[in-house]
Amino acid sequence: TQLLEQSPQFLSIQEGENLTVYCNSSSVFSSLQWYRQEPGEGPVLLVTVVTGGEVKKLKRLTFQFGDARKDSSLHITAAQPGDTGLYLCAGAGDKVIFGPGTSLSVIP
Amino acid sequence: DTEVTQTPKHLVMGMTNKKSLKCEQHMGHRAMYWYKQKAKKPPELMFVYSYEKLSINESVPSRFSPECPNSSLLNLHLHALQPEDSALYLCASSQDWGMRGDIQYFGAGTRLSVL
Repeated sequence: TQLLEQSPQFLSIQEGENLTVYCNSSSVFSSLQWYRQEPGEGPVLLVTVVTGGEVKKLKRLTFQFGDARKDSSLHITAAQPGDTGLYLCAGAGDKVIFGPGTSLSVIP
Repeated sequence: DTEVTQTPKHLVMGMTNKKSLKCEQHMGHRAMYWYKQKAKKPPELMFVYSYEKLSINESVPSRFSPECPNSSLLNLHLHALQPEDSALYLCASSQDWGMRGDIQYFGAGTRLSVL
């Protein structure tokens, strides 16, 4: 059974701080997606990483896919209150598997 | 365009009511999904339709009945729900379920409250 773990589960930080969220599995994925979800809304796709070792940047967000395509990280620089939300990673192989999510609160 | 449209956005229903949730996509995707999500938890897969045929039913109670009238539309018919069924119901679509590297795009969801 494929499983994805995310850490930390909850994170509360001050505006301007940096943070890293991790997504780990014992399984290999052909690609991995990161979504951000705000309360009462659907998950919004942030990025897809496909190649082992790949790094993608989206403004203040940096995504990395592990060399073995089993894990990924999301780093946010100078967090802002608008970054608040539930961050979900989803691994795509034969089917899509979701991690449990990291709930981020950025306090002004 | 990566838009998945869900209606209604909010729904309140009694335990004896019958209602339907609707989902539409025009991206030419051949797979569509229903998920149930409780607060601060990940989405839980309910149903997968692939090429308009039900491919996965994750042991969902029969009070939830999915329907795929055509490749762009997906409905979820609700009848005799329980208060614990209150949740955010998400629809998603993707190019081809089971295809390696397939990416799912989500609608904004229907917030359902069962009284």
